[in-house]
Amino acid sequence: AQSVTQPDIHITVSEGASLELRCNYSYGATPYLFWYVQSPGQGLQLLLKYFSGDTLVQGIKGFEAEFKRSQSSFNLRKPSVHWSDAAEYFCAVGDEAGGGNKLTFGTGTQLKVEL
Amino acid sequence: EPEVTQTPSHQVTQMGQEVILRCVPISNHLYFYWYRQILGQKVEFLVSFYNNEISEKSEIFDDQFSVERPDGSNFTLKIRSTKLEDSAMYFCASSPGLRSYEQYFGPGTRLTVT
Repeated sequence: AQSVTQPDIHITVSEGASLELRCNYSYGATPYLFWYVQSPGQGLQLLLKYFSGDTLVQGIKGFEAEFKRSQSSFNLRKPSVHWSDAAEYFCAVGDEAGGGNKLTFGTGTQLKVEL
Repeated sequence: EPEVTQTPSHQVTQMGQEVILRCVPISNHLYFYWYRQILGQKVEFLVSFYNNEISEKSEIFDDQFSVERPDGSNFTLKIRSTKLEDSAMYFCASSPGLRSYEQYFGPGTRLTVT
């Protein structure tokens, strides 16, 4: 069965510093990978997605992620963090094998930004 | 920009009562989903729905749960007899297709079972 691991539960960075959030997945076929962000009291907003092609994908709000098949990873990066980036970030893998295209989420990484 | 809406934002119910959570997916989307997030835990898939039938469901989605698209715009999740452990945030999502199409999530309904 597919699974997603986000090893960092909490991360604190200073505003302006670079950011990398880790995500490892387990999936038998070519994965569809996503990063979502959840601000307090809000729903999940898609940051970026990977399906095929270029392994470096660009998303909204200046985020990017790199798919590395050899490491089963899909880490999220941002070169300079803004205070408004404080939120919870979820990595997810899509699975249509069951006919429903369900998303399997990781446990999330809570990002705190220090001013 | 079109968005998924959910009502109510917060529902409090007593154990054993029935609840219906409502969602209005994005109008031209064909696939609909429910997920839940127990406080402090990860988001979990419950069910997906296409062409007026369930296309996939998780082991969480037992006989106490049902989904329905009663008209052309609403998508509902019913819990027949709520348990304390059903307390969670419930997210509705929709997508225009499978594979490369991302799922758009609503803001969620917080269900509290007392």
